[in-house]
Amino acid sequence: DSGVTQTPKHLITATGQRVTLRCSPRSGDLSVYWYQQSLDQGLQFLIQYYNGEERAKGNILERFSAQQFPDLHSELNLSSLELGDSALYFCASSVDGRANNSPLHFGNGTRLTVT
Amino acid sequence: GENVEQHPSTLSVQEGDSAVIKCTYSDSASNYFPWYKQELGKRPQLIIDIRSNVGEKKDQRIAVTLNKTAKHFSLHITETQPEDSAVYFCAVISNFGNEKLTFGTGTRLTIIP
Repeated sequence: DSGVTQTPKHLITATGQRVTLRCSPRSGDLSVYWYQQSLDQGLQFLIQYYNGEERAKGNILERFSAQQFPDLHSELNLSSLELGDSALYFCASSVDGRANNSPLHFGNGTRLTVT
Repeated sequence: GENVEQHPSTLSVQEGDSAVIKCTYSDSASNYFPWYKQELGKRPQLIIDIRSNVGEKKDQRIAVTLNKTAKHFSLHITETQPEDSAVYFCAVISNFGNEKLTFGTGTRLTIIP
């Protein structure tokens, strides 16, 4: 168990809808990262937060947004969902947000299916 | 931005043989190179990492080598076992700008009993 908690594990919704994915980092970790993994694809970096502030942005669509709250948990909001948004969404956390100092620990992911 | 290429995309080896996966990167300022293993339906897990001031690192049957001049690094798994079957991802971080971790496209390793 990595200590990173993601909920829900599975989510099935229809096109056009909006969903929220939640992540609680490991105790003591200040940074949260979101990655998208489509079927048999690699890990696409979406966004990173450190201690409540956005630190880095990747290939995140405008329909997607995220935030990190004062208690350090993070939420990824996906709106106007399309079939192509179906994927496994991983959250990872690290101690200081500098991935070359502290390794990323991944949660078990949320599998989103858009029908 | 950083560009990471990983080869091969699939690899099958006989149990007991060695497996080698290679990644190349574009940013010469990159300084941290982790490898992650992802079993089917599970989360990626860090298995080994290396920093730019080191040329090789070993952990039991797993080793990583780094050639900074050529900008490539490799994962070596010796005496492979069925439980080594998984998808392996290399990653690179640049100590430049926002230090985000960029992953390779993955290698699906199958160990044949």
